[in-house]
Amino acid sequence: SQQGEEDPQALSIQEGENATMNCSYKTSINNLQWYRQNSGRGLVHLILIRSNEREKHSGRLRVTLDTSKKSSSLLITASRAADTASYFCATDYNNDMRFGAGTRLTVKP
Amino acid sequence: DTAVSQTPKYLVTQMGNDKSIKCEQNLGHDTMYWYKQDSKKFLKIMFSYNNKELIINETVPNRFSPKSPDKAHLNLHINSLELGDSAVYFCASSQSVHYGYTFGSGTRLTVV
Repeated sequence: SQQGEEDPQALSIQEGENATMNCSYKTSINNLQWYRQNSGRGLVHLILIRSNEREKHSGRLRVTLDTSKKSSSLLITASRAADTASYFCATDYNNDMRFGAGTRLTVKP
Repeated sequence: DTAVSQTPKYLVTQMGNDKSIKCEQNLGHDTMYWYKQDSKKFLKIMFSYNNKELIINETVPNRFSPKSPDKAHLNLHINSLELGDSAVYFCASSQSVHYGYTFGSGTRLTVV
């Protein structure tokens, strides 16, 4: 069964704006990961946050994790047209990774 | 060098046929996976193998059988293909819970 649920399902913004995507999950985790999928392509790992971490940064990406609320957010700052893709959160527990339904992000030039 | 490679990239076949999808990783990872992505983009885990041993076997039809001849390979064989098997199948590998997964580029299976 799907583990995470992303919100919103779709997001459309202008280039330069920030994009925030949220993910909620239901069970225990070792870590939570975010992936990007461009249309017709495979998934690319973006960032991993461990269950004992609260915030992590990687370039223009900022991820937060609140294990008490079983939720995470992905912030993409200063978005670019090339950021247009689907973004998935995935929860990993003992090498069993389950994906959410994804957020479709469109960045308009 | 492609880290996780799947073949073929596209597969069109008729109902009732048997087909295989191959996956190889050159990362030295211990664990490999098969995921299915349906037309609505939902990704569901099907199987995982750790050092050739089956770890996860989700509720998939018996027509799907994974085979891992060594820890660098995890192939997926599908018998008696049905229309509902049409999807994109992704192979992935990982080293441990502290690192992200590396995915192959996918195999788009179309059953007609």
